[in-house]
Amino acid sequence: QVQLQESGPGLVKPSQTLSLTCTVSGDSISSNSGSYYWSWIRQPAGKGLEWIGRIYTSGGTNNNPTNYNPSLKSRVTISIDMSKNQFSLNLSSMTAADSAIYYCARGARFNGNYIFDYWGQGTLVTVSS
Amino acid sequence: QSALTQEASMSGTVGQKVTLSCTGNTNNIGSYAVGWHQQISHGAPKTVMLGNSLPSGIPDRFSGSKSGTTASLTISGLQPEDEADYYCSTWDYSLSAWVFGGGTRLTVL
Repeated sequence: QVQLQESGPGLVKPSQTLSLTCTVSGDSISSNSGSYYWSWIRQPAGKGLEWIGRIYTSGGTNNNPTNYNPSLKSRVTISIDMSKNQFSLNLSSMTAADSAIYYCARGARFNGNYIFDYWGQGTLVTVSS
Repeated sequence: QSALTQEASMSGTVGQKVTLSCTGNTNNIGSYAVGWHQQISHGAPKTVMLGNSLPSGIPDRFSGSKSGTTASLTISGLQPEDEADYYCSTWDYSLSAWVFGGGTRLTVL
């Protein structure tokens, strides 16, 4: 059973950079059995889900392309540490509008398409001075 | 404004069949499979449908389908524990982004 767990600070000051990590257990993040997209998604209080970005893994390749939400692209970096089975999110220039629950999720290939199959429990991030 | 359109709310009685819809366009639903994600009481989302396939552990009263640019999630034999928010998601190649619907709040009466 694949499990994902987010970790990071619950409180960030305005203008600072948020750094979150998602630790994957139950499978290798760079499994030879398939290719995956590892994503970050957020949900402001009382609102819907917003995709932040993703990083791709396939086997043990060091080629890990990323895609980012166009509305956040200038502030987002997603990276991967295969030795720790983790991937991370950096979101710069944080404002109150970035306060949300942040989830990590795995996109796996089903019949040629990628769909989110496993999600983390989420971590609440509040931006306040 | 979400790229995918879902009913804001729906309701049904125990045992009833309900169908939730998710409407997009040729850049997203028309080209890619759709995932459906259940969120109970603002907890973590849980995937209940992978295209038209059931993930392991999800009851077979859940089923998924797609026609053109609209995907549907059907719950046959609604149960009290199905009360939740349901979100659809898929890739949009025009936006180069994963997109979600605004979510449907399903109430079991």
